[in-house]
Amino acid sequence: AQTVTQSQPEMSVQEAETVTLSCTYDTSENNYYLFWYKQPPSRQMILVIRQEAYKQQNATENRFSVNFQKAAKSFSLKISDSQLGDTAMYFCAPNYGGSQGNLIFGKGTKLSVKP
Amino acid sequence: ETGVTQSPTHLIKTRGQQVTLRCSSQSGHNTVSWYQQALGQGPQFIFQYYREEENGRGNFPPRFSGLQFPNYSSELNVNALELDDSALYLCASSLSSGGFGETQYFGPGTRLLVL
Repeated sequence: AQTVTQSQPEMSVQEAETVTLSCTYDTSENNYYLFWYKQPPSRQMILVIRQEAYKQQNATENRFSVNFQKAAKSFSLKISDSQLGDTAMYFCAPNYGGSQGNLIFGKGTKLSVKP
Repeated sequence: ETGVTQSPTHLIKTRGQQVTLRCSSQSGHNTVSWYQQALGQGPQFIFQYYREEENGRGNFPPRFSGLQFPNYSSELNVNALELDDSALYLCASSLSSGGFGETQYFGPGTRLLVL
């Protein structure tokens, strides 16, 4: 089974500080995509960042960046200058394609940003 | 541009009943995926529709079925409801050329409670 592990069930960070959320996955595929989604308490899932596995350059989106280590099958998310609005569940979700093309979600990390 | 919408927002059913959940895709999107999110868990893939055809299915029994209409709106039908079907059901749409890896945009979900 293709598994996704988010080893930090809960994390907290002070406003304006930096936090890193970890994610490891298991696949024998060579070409795939990786996503981080956030789900605020209002529950609508929102895309944070997307990474193409064949690209060595790490994706960045404003305060959000990833550290993608393909050989280690690791895909961590760094949030810089944390804001109160970053409080949410964060899900790591690879997409390996094949006949399904679906996202495989981890169990999530609950991030609390404290003032 | 309108986002993904779902109806109803909440639903209470009795074990053994049938339920239909509805999703309206983001404008221009031709692919819809459905996920089940149990409390405290990450979403699990149910199935995906691409241009009105089922394009992949997760590990869910046949009593979970779906439809996609020519306007790319979609339905999820669940027959013979069981207590374990209680969950948040998420719909996500994307613009696909038949491949994979496109960003999926999620709706707010339908919370189903089976008594």
